[in-house]
Amino acid sequence: KAGVTQTPRYLIKTRGQQVTLSCSPISGHRSVSWYQQTPGQGLQFLFEYFSETQRNKGNFPGRFSGRQFSNSRSEMNVSTLELGDSALYLCASSWAELLEQFFGPGTRLTVL
Amino acid sequence: SQQGEEDPQALSIQEGENATMNCSYKTSINNLQWYRQNSGRGLVHLILIRSNEREKHSGRLRVTLDTSKKSSSLLITASRAADTASYFCATDAGTYKYIFGTGTRLKVLA
Repeated sequence: KAGVTQTPRYLIKTRGQQVTLSCSPISGHRSVSWYQQTPGQGLQFLFEYFSETQRNKGNFPGRFSGRQFSNSRSEMNVSTLELGDSALYLCASSWAELLEQFFGPGTRLTVL
Repeated sequence: SQQGEEDPQALSIQEGENATMNCSYKTSINNLQWYRQNSGRGLVHLILIRSNEREKHSGRLRVTLDTSKKSSSLLITASRAADTASYFCATDAGTYKYIFGTGTRLKVLA
């Protein structure tokens, strides 16, 4: 079975731009979660989707948004980028809640 | 902050020794999981322990859970250089999100 894939793997943007990151979960997994990882804040939960519905959202500003498609693929969007948005963005999928999550390799976003 | 705490923050041991890292959390949980992360890459799931379990083994890994103290420990026996990584605990409080600990950086010296 193919693992979780994330595209792109690396991204450089400038302040004020917007960015869209993509995540393809493991086949059959319907739950997709997104995390932001930075050296200072560690792993912070962004949001979780299940069957195209956002079930929970972390404490991030409205500039961070996401969606999930009918094939369970998910995207997250960050608008009006700030320097502090530079981070590793990780996507994880699971078959259902309360089960182990399988992580993708992440997208490293650098905001200049 | 809801984030869990792990200690130690960093641990350096010789190959063949055992490594123990601890995780404390703040809210009631359904389960607790441990993950490994190599050098800024994605996380790899190691083991899941449910709130009604006290101990679980997987290969060289042993995890304990004490819900009364809201704490868990991960023991890696007979460590190898390949075990060098950061280790995170993650707790699920039944709200469709996981709260990750701050992580322990383990370095195993050959």
